[in-house]
Amino acid sequence: SAVISQKPSRDICQRGTSLTIQCQVDSQVTMMFWYRQQPGQSLTLIATANQGSEATYESGFVIDKFPISRPNLTFSTLTVSNMSPEDSSIYLCSVEGGRAVDEQFFGPGTRLTVL
Amino acid sequence: GQQLNQSPQSMFIQEGEDVSMNCTSSSIFNTWLWYKQDPGEGPVLLIALYKAGELTSNGRLTAQFGITRKDSFLNISASIPSDVGIYFCATSGSARQLTFGSGTQLTVLP
Repeated sequence: SAVISQKPSRDICQRGTSLTIQCQVDSQVTMMFWYRQQPGQSLTLIATANQGSEATYESGFVIDKFPISRPNLTFSTLTVSNMSPEDSSIYLCSVEGGRAVDEQFFGPGTRLTVL
Repeated sequence: GQQLNQSPQSMFIQEGEDVSMNCTSSSIFNTWLWYKQDPGEGPVLLIALYKAGELTSNGRLTAQFGITRKDSFLNISASIPSDVGIYFCATSGSARQLTFGSGTQLTVLP
């Protein structure tokens, strides 16, 4: 399985600011995914990021709030813009791989607290 | 959208006991996945199921893909302290996006 790293691992931010989260993979992958995990909750897909095209956002998530970059096949960033306390969550990136494309492997996550 | 009903929400068991948890849905799926998440970590894939009726094992873990393709269960035999964590079922959509169940928080008592 791919080795995935995320930066930062955690951060505490002020309301109204923005934070960019980086996701690095040790091999080239076509699809990368960004998920949000609110405190005590399950994972919810934010968007799918393919290299060379605009990210595809799920219902309830918009590009202005969560802009995503995918400059190459091993890297992606997610920005959380104009943050509010409700954005306090764990943000995880994942990549497809394994025996079949349906299997996804996750990074360690970025724990964000907004004051 | 898709919704997965996972139960139980939490479990407290004695070390050495067996554990069972399940997920159900009103929709049919071609894939069922089971993940475990430890505190401060991302989910780790435990078992992937691709065929209705399929029974797959990974060490002390066994999972089955329901015949109706609307459900799956995960069993853990002879639990040990490191089994503590949150277990999630997940299914894959047409665009390979994953939908997760609400999770089962497992606590193993010594």
